[in-house]
Amino acid sequence: GENVEQHPSTLSVQEGDSAVIKCTYSDSASNYFPWYKQELGKGPQLIIDIRSNVGEKKDQRIAVTLNKTAKHFSLHITETQPEDSAVYFCAASVAGGSYIPTFGRGTSLIVHP
Amino acid sequence: DAMVIQNPRYQVTQFGKPVTLSCSQTLNHNVMYWYQQKSSQAPKLLFHYYDKDFNNEADTPDNFQSRRPNTSFCFLDIRSPGLGDAAMYLCATSSGTAEKLFFGSGTQLSVL
Repeated sequence: GENVEQHPSTLSVQEGDSAVIKCTYSDSASNYFPWYKQELGKGPQLIIDIRSNVGEKKDQRIAVTLNKTAKHFSLHITETQPEDSAVYFCAASVAGGSYIPTFGRGTSLIVHP
Repeated sequence: DAMVIQNPRYQVTQFGKPVTLSCSQTLNHNVMYWYQQKSSQAPKLLFHYYDKDFNNEADTPDNFQSRRPNTSFCFLDIRSPGLGDAAMYLCATSSGTAEKLFFGSGTQLSVL
């Protein structure tokens, strides 16, 4: 089955700095890679996703990059703000397949004002 | 305009006393999932439904059961909660053709 590794487990940055979270996956059949943000006491919410036919996708201050050859994808947050503080989960799945994503273990991002 | 609604938000039960958590959705999605999430961990899939087809994860304890009486509602029953079952329980949905999951706000279960 799929295995998703996520690093780092904790990331502390100053407001205004950039933050990068990296994930690797094992199943070359995986072709859909979402990122979820979970704020304290809430359920995860999708913030951005990317499919395997695209190398990069941006949405304002967040971007995701995908390297299919190396089987890794990354979340980039620029100009971080205190409200970006949360736990971020990457995931991988096969679009149109089992519709069961495999989650990474999560990264706790702390943005210091 | 909440799309996946979980009740209650917080649930306290006693050791061994059955408890039921509920989830409803307004998205008309085919797939509904129940996840267990413990502190500082990723969500762990317990089971999911594709329409009425029930799929149990191999390592989900028998103590956990689920019902989906119709498209909109899904229930998680914990027959005899133990201290180790204290966790956040997340309900999620997906359309089955798209891959993104829509999560509810979760039910935080405490077992005394």
